[in-house]
Amino acid sequence: DARVTQTPRHKVTEMGQEVTMRCQPILGHNTVFWYRQTMMQGLELLAYFRNRAPLDDSGMPKDRFSAEMPDATLATLKIQPSEPRDSAVYFCASGLGSQETQYFGPGTRLLVL
Amino acid sequence: GENVEQHPSTLSVQEGDSAVIKCTYSDSASNYFPWYKQELGKGPQLIIDIRSNVGEKKDQRIAVTLNKTAKHFSLHITETQPEDSAVYFCAASIGTDFNKFYFGSGTKLNVKP
Repeated sequence: DARVTQTPRHKVTEMGQEVTMRCQPILGHNTVFWYRQTMMQGLELLAYFRNRAPLDDSGMPKDRFSAEMPDATLATLKIQPSEPRDSAVYFCASGLGSQETQYFGPGTRLLVL
Repeated sequence: GENVEQHPSTLSVQEGDSAVIKCTYSDSASNYFPWYKQELGKGPQLIIDIRSNVGEKKDQRIAVTLNKTAKHFSLHITETQPEDSAVYFCAASIGTDFNKFYFGSGTKLNVKP
C-alpha cells in the first residue's frame, strides 16, 4: 500500500527554534508538494518540486522557510527561526508530473510556543 | 472575492439521505476540479475529480457536476453512511497549471446514524 509518509507527526517547540519536517513521497512519484493548513487560511501551497528541482515556492515566506529535496526519496521543510504564527498542520503530497492527482501524507502538526 | 467559494460550511444529514456541496470559482482558465475528503487527524484524500471537457462524472455513490459557463461545480453523495462524515474540500486548478489549486474553505459533513 504505497503512501506518503511524514515525520514527525507532532512537534512542539519554542519560538526561535529550528524546525525540520521530513517527507518520503510515494516511490516513483517525481513531484512533491508542501502545504500548510490553518483554520484561518485553509490549505495553502507553500512550494513544489519536480524531479527534485524547485518549480514554485511563491507561497513560502522566504526569510525563514526553506524547502529542499536532497534525493528522490526525501523532501524537507525547514523553519528557522520558528514563530508562533507558524503553528499549523504541514502536509506533504506527491504525484506524477504528467497527472493531476496528488496524494497527501498524514501531516505534521506543529505548535510553536 | 475568494477564488473558490464553498457552501455550506457545515452539513448535517440523516444516514441514507443525499448530501450536496457546491463550489464556485472565478478563474475562467481553470480546467481541473478535484474533491478531497479529510478525516480527523489525516491528510486530504482525493475522492473524485472532473476535467473541464466533462459535465458530469460518477463513481458509485459519489458524483460531481461541472457547469463551466456558470463557473460552478458540485459534489453529490447519495445514500450517505456514517463513515462519510468528514470535511470535504473542493479545488480548482489555477489556470491550466494542474499542479496548483485554489482550495475551498471546506464543508464539515455529519451523517447521523
